[in-house]
Amino acid sequence: GQNIDQPTEMTATEGAIVQINCTYQTSGFNGLFWYQQHAGEAPTFLSYNVLDGLEEKGRFSSFLSRSKGYSYLLLKELQMKDSASYLCAVKGNTPLVFGKGTRLSVIA
Amino acid sequence: KAGVTQTPRYLIKTRGQQVTLSCSPISGHRSVSWYQQTPGQGLQFLFEYFSETQRNKGNFPGRFSGRQFSNSRSEMNVSTLELGDSALYLCASSSNSHTDTQYFGPGTRLTVL
Repeated sequence: GQNIDQPTEMTATEGAIVQINCTYQTSGFNGLFWYQQHAGEAPTFLSYNVLDGLEEKGRFSSFLSRSKGYSYLLLKELQMKDSASYLCAVKGNTPLVFGKGTRLSVIA
Repeated sequence: KAGVTQTPRYLIKTRGQQVTLSCSPISGHRSVSWYQQTPGQGLQFLFEYFSETQRNKGNFPGRFSGRQFSNSRSEMNVSTLELGDSALYLCASSSNSHTDTQYFGPGTRLTVL
Protein backbone atom coordinates (compact mmCIF):
# COMPACT_ATOMS: atom_id res chain seq x y z
CA GLY A 1 0.00 0.00 0.00
CA GLN A 2 0.91 3.64 0.06
CA ASN A 3 1.49 5.61 3.20
CA ILE A 4 2.83 9.07 3.94
CA ASP A 5 3.47 10.25 7.48
CA GLN A 6 4.20 13.72 8.72
CA PRO A 7 3.66 15.37 12.12
CA THR A 8 0.23 16.86 12.62
CA GLU A 9 1.30 20.12 14.23
CA MET A 10 4.46 22.09 14.98
CA THR A 11 5.14 25.43 16.62
CA ALA A 12 8.22 27.57 16.09
CA THR A 13 9.39 31.08 16.90
CA GLU A 14 9.71 33.93 14.44
CA GLY A 15 13.27 34.10 13.09
CA ALA A 16 14.05 30.49 13.97
CA ILE A 17 14.58 27.41 11.78
CA VAL A 18 12.09 24.55 11.60
CA GLN A 19 12.34 21.12 9.98
CA ILE A 20 9.20 19.27 8.90
CA ASN A 21 9.76 15.56 8.32
CA CYS A 22 7.95 13.24 5.95
CA THR A 23 8.32 9.48 5.65
CA TYR A 24 6.72 7.51 2.87
CA GLN A 25 6.07 4.05 1.50
CA THR A 26 4.87 3.91 -2.08
CA SER A 27 4.80 1.61 -5.07
CA GLY A 28 7.48 3.06 -7.31
CA PHE A 29 8.91 6.53 -6.97
CA ASN A 30 8.74 9.39 -9.44
CA GLY A 31 9.36 12.32 -7.15
CA LEU A 32 8.38 14.02 -3.91
CA PHE A 33 6.66 17.39 -3.69
CA TRP A 34 6.12 19.89 -0.91
CA TYR A 35 3.18 22.26 -0.97
CA GLN A 36 2.21 25.12 1.32
CA GLN A 37 -1.45 25.71 2.10
CA HIS A 38 -2.74 28.72 4.01
CA ALA A 39 -6.09 28.32 5.74
CA GLY A 40 -8.94 28.57 3.26
CA GLU A 41 -6.64 28.71 0.25
CA ALA A 42 -5.33 26.29 -2.36
CA PRO A 43 -2.01 24.48 -1.98
CA THR A 44 0.90 26.23 -3.66
CA PHE A 45 3.96 24.42 -4.96
CA LEU A 46 7.16 24.80 -2.93
CA SER A 47 9.65 22.18 -4.07
CA TYR A 48 10.27 18.96 -5.98
CA ASN A 49 12.90 16.29 -5.28
CA VAL A 50 13.53 13.24 -7.40
CA LEU A 51 17.23 12.62 -6.65
CA ASP A 52 18.81 12.22 -3.22
CA GLY A 53 20.11 15.37 -1.64
CA LEU A 54 19.21 18.91 -0.77
CA GLU A 55 17.39 21.39 -2.99
CA GLU A 56 17.63 24.99 -1.80
CA LYS A 57 15.26 27.74 -2.80
CA GLY A 58 15.66 30.92 -0.81
CA ARG A 59 14.54 30.43 2.79
CA PHE A 60 13.14 26.98 1.95
CA SER A 61 15.14 23.79 1.39
CA SER A 62 13.98 20.25 0.82
CA PHE A 63 15.94 17.05 1.34
CA LEU A 64 15.33 13.56 0.01
CA SER A 65 16.69 10.13 0.85
CA ARG A 66 15.08 7.54 -1.40
CA SER A 67 16.71 4.57 0.34
CA LYS A 68 15.21 5.68 3.67
CA GLY A 69 11.84 6.81 2.24
CA TYR A 70 12.42 10.13 3.96
CA SER A 71 12.24 13.79 3.18
CA TYR A 72 12.26 17.01 5.13
CA LEU A 73 11.36 20.61 4.45
CA LEU A 74 13.58 23.17 6.15
CA LEU A 75 12.31 26.69 6.69
CA LYS A 76 14.83 29.32 7.78
CA GLU A 77 14.34 32.82 9.21
CA LEU A 78 10.73 32.04 9.99
CA GLN A 79 8.19 34.77 9.41
CA MET A 80 4.64 35.04 10.71
CA LYS A 81 3.34 34.55 7.16
CA ASP A 82 4.91 31.06 7.16
CA SER A 83 2.10 29.92 9.48
CA ALA A 84 0.34 27.40 7.22
CA SER A 85 -0.07 23.70 6.54
CA TYR A 86 2.77 21.97 4.70
CA LEU A 87 1.84 19.00 2.58
CA CYS A 88 4.22 16.25 1.53
CA ALA A 89 3.14 14.41 -1.63
CA VAL A 90 4.72 11.47 -3.42
CA LYS A 91 4.30 10.40 -7.02
CA GLY A 92 4.77 6.65 -7.36
CA ASN A 93 3.25 4.38 -9.97
CA THR A 94 -0.10 6.00 -9.19
CA PRO A 95 -1.24 9.60 -9.07
CA LEU A 96 0.07 11.97 -6.45
CA VAL A 97 -0.53 10.75 -2.88
CA PHE A 98 -0.64 13.42 -0.16
CA GLY A 99 0.17 13.24 3.50
CA LYS A 100 -2.37 14.83 5.84
CA GLY A 101 -0.20 17.88 6.27
CA THR A 102 1.71 19.53 9.09
CA ARG A 103 0.14 22.66 10.55
CA LEU A 104 2.94 25.07 11.44
CA SER A 105 2.28 27.94 13.82
CA VAL A 106 4.89 30.69 13.97
CA ILE A 107 4.79 32.66 17.20
CA ALA A 108 6.45 35.94 18.14
CA LYS B 1 -0.14 33.19 -17.65
CA ALA B 2 -3.48 32.82 -15.89
CA GLY B 3 -3.66 30.20 -13.17
CA VAL B 4 -6.14 27.39 -12.67
CA THR B 5 -9.67 28.66 -12.22
CA GLN B 6 -12.60 26.90 -10.60
CA THR B 7 -16.27 27.76 -10.51
CA PRO B 8 -18.26 28.18 -8.46
CA ARG B 9 -16.18 29.04 -5.40
CA TYR B 10 -18.92 28.23 -2.91
CA LEU B 11 -21.95 26.02 -3.16
CA ILE B 12 -24.67 24.93 -0.77
CA LYS B 13 -26.82 21.93 -1.65
CA THR B 14 -29.16 19.57 0.16
CA ARG B 15 -28.92 15.82 0.47
CA GLY B 16 -30.01 13.94 -2.62
CA GLN B 17 -29.24 16.76 -5.03
CA GLN B 18 -26.51 16.68 -7.61
CA VAL B 19 -23.76 19.18 -8.33
CA THR B 20 -21.39 20.00 -11.19
CA LEU B 21 -18.07 21.75 -10.58
CA SER B 22 -15.92 23.27 -13.30
CA CYS B 23 -12.17 23.66 -13.70
CA SER B 24 -10.16 25.53 -16.34
CA PRO B 25 -6.48 24.53 -16.37
CA ILE B 26 -3.47 26.69 -17.05
CA SER B 27 -3.19 27.38 -20.76
CA GLY B 28 -1.26 24.58 -22.44
CA HIS B 29 -1.80 22.09 -19.62
CA ARG B 30 -3.50 18.92 -20.75
CA SER B 31 -3.77 17.01 -17.49
CA VAL B 32 -6.42 17.85 -14.90
CA SER B 33 -6.71 16.09 -11.55
CA TRP B 34 -9.45 16.43 -8.96
CA TYR B 35 -9.07 16.09 -5.19
CA GLN B 36 -11.38 16.15 -2.22
CA GLN B 37 -10.03 17.81 0.92
CA THR B 38 -11.60 17.34 4.34
CA PRO B 39 -10.13 18.10 7.78
CA GLY B 40 -10.08 14.44 8.77
CA GLN B 41 -8.82 12.82 5.59
CA GLY B 42 -6.64 15.48 4.03
CA LEU B 43 -6.30 15.62 0.25
CA GLN B 44 -7.70 12.54 -1.49
CA PHE B 45 -7.37 11.84 -5.19
CA LEU B 46 -10.61 11.55 -7.15
CA PHE B 47 -9.54 11.20 -10.79
CA GLU B 48 -7.22 12.48 -13.48
CA TYR B 49 -8.06 13.36 -17.06
CA PHE B 50 -5.67 13.75 -19.95
CA SER B 51 -6.71 14.55 -23.51
CA GLU B 52 -10.37 13.89 -22.69
CA THR B 53 -9.65 10.42 -21.27
CA GLN B 54 -9.75 9.37 -17.64
CA ARG B 55 -6.20 8.25 -16.94
CA ASN B 56 -6.51 7.37 -13.25
CA LYS B 57 -9.27 7.00 -10.69
CA GLY B 58 -9.24 7.08 -6.90
CA ASN B 59 -11.32 5.07 -4.44
CA PHE B 60 -14.55 7.01 -4.55
CA PRO B 61 -18.04 5.67 -5.25
CA GLY B 62 -19.59 5.87 -8.70
CA ARG B 63 -21.60 8.93 -7.60
CA PHE B 64 -18.44 10.88 -8.36
CA SER B 65 -17.75 11.29 -12.05
CA GLY B 66 -15.95 13.65 -14.33
CA ARG B 67 -15.10 14.52 -17.86
CA GLN B 68 -12.70 16.63 -19.86
CA PHE B 69 -13.41 18.64 -22.96
CA SER B 70 -11.27 19.17 -26.05
CA ASN B 71 -10.05 22.53 -24.67
CA SER B 72 -8.82 20.69 -21.53
CA ARG B 73 -11.49 22.22 -19.31
CA SER B 74 -12.88 19.66 -16.91
CA GLU B 75 -16.03 19.13 -14.92
CA MET B 76 -16.80 16.84 -12.06
CA ASN B 77 -20.25 15.75 -11.02
CA VAL B 78 -21.49 14.37 -7.75
CA SER B 79 -24.93 12.80 -7.76
CA THR B 80 -27.21 11.95 -4.83
CA LEU B 81 -25.28 14.17 -2.44
CA GLU B 82 -24.60 12.98 1.09
CA LEU B 83 -23.67 15.02 4.16
CA GLY B 84 -20.20 13.51 4.02
CA ASP B 85 -19.59 15.03 0.62
CA SER B 86 -19.16 18.43 2.26
CA ALA B 87 -15.56 19.33 1.46
CA LEU B 88 -13.22 21.54 -0.50
CA TYR B 89 -12.90 20.22 -4.04
CA LEU B 90 -9.60 21.12 -5.64
CA CYS B 91 -8.60 20.87 -9.23
CA ALA B 92 -4.95 20.79 -10.30
CA SER B 93 -3.41 20.99 -13.74
CA SER B 94 -0.07 19.90 -15.11
CA SER B 95 1.45 19.88 -18.57
CA ASN B 96 1.91 16.27 -19.45
CA SER B 97 4.41 13.93 -17.99
CA HIS B 98 4.17 11.65 -15.02
CA THR B 99 6.40 13.84 -12.90
CA ASP B 100 5.11 17.27 -13.82
CA THR B 101 4.31 19.63 -11.01
CA GLN B 102 0.61 20.09 -10.35
CA TYR B 103 -0.75 23.60 -9.86
CA PHE B 104 -3.93 23.99 -7.89
CA GLY B 105 -6.97 26.14 -8.39
CA PRO B 106 -8.65 27.99 -5.50
CA GLY B 107 -11.17 25.19 -4.95
CA THR B 108 -14.91 24.92 -4.63
CA ARG B 109 -16.25 24.79 -1.08
CA LEU B 110 -19.29 22.47 -1.15
CA THR B 111 -21.62 22.33 1.82
CA VAL B 112 -24.33 19.66 1.89
CA LEU B 113 -27.20 20.30 4.30
